[in-house]
Amino acid sequence: DAGVIQSPRHEVTEMGQEVTLRCKPISGHDYLFWYRQTMMRGLELLIYFNNNVPIDDSGMPEDRFSAKMPNASFSTLKIQPSEPRDSAVYFCASTLAGSSGNTIYFGEGSWLTVV
Amino acid sequence: AQSVTQLGSHVSVSEGALVLLRCNYSSSVPPYLFWYVQYPNQGLQLLLKYTSAATLVKGINGFEAEFKKSETSFHLTKPSAHMSDAAEYFCAVTSGGGADGLTFGKGTHLIIQP
Repeated sequence: DAGVIQSPRHEVTEMGQEVTLRCKPISGHDYLFWYRQTMMRGLELLIYFNNNVPIDDSGMPEDRFSAKMPNASFSTLKIQPSEPRDSAVYFCASTLAGSSGNTIYFGEGSWLTVV
Repeated sequence: AQSVTQLGSHVSVSEGALVLLRCNYSSSVPPYLFWYVQYPNQGLQLLLKYTSAATLVKGINGFEAEFKKSETSFHLTKPSAHMSDAAEYFCAVTSGGGADGLTFGKGTHLIIQP
């Protein structure tokens, strides 16, 4: 299996611009998670989906952040407008509930720098 | 609510020495526990997991961890450190079998001295 695929791997953008991060989960997985990693706050769960439906978005920092999952094989995390404090590594992860102790598999991350 | 505490943000050991990374958890229900490793500029890779079967769990790269309910601990060990073990290690807990996501500790940076 190809694993969780994220794009872009690296993005540098100017403050105020829109940023869209993309994720393709492992085929057949029914849960998808978006995490953010920063030095100050560590790994934070932003939002997760079950069968393409958002279940908990309480970790989304503010209204500038939005996430969608239009189908089982694709999700986006959008930041509009972006700010320097959004600079972080954003990870997408997926799992199949009830399988293998529900191991959550992570993508390689999208490294975002907002200048 | 659940939480994870990793004692020591940095741990330094000599090559060939025992590696011990500490993790304590808090969970109101029986937990699932995980250790992930992150090499520089890479994503998170699963080392091992505890899912209520054997309390001593063996993982990849010679690592193992023991679940101790009485101590609410899940410490990670490796008998002999290699230079290639230098990385960031994260302990994580979930009570929903993974379906509600993982709560991570702050991470421990493992430094291997030659």
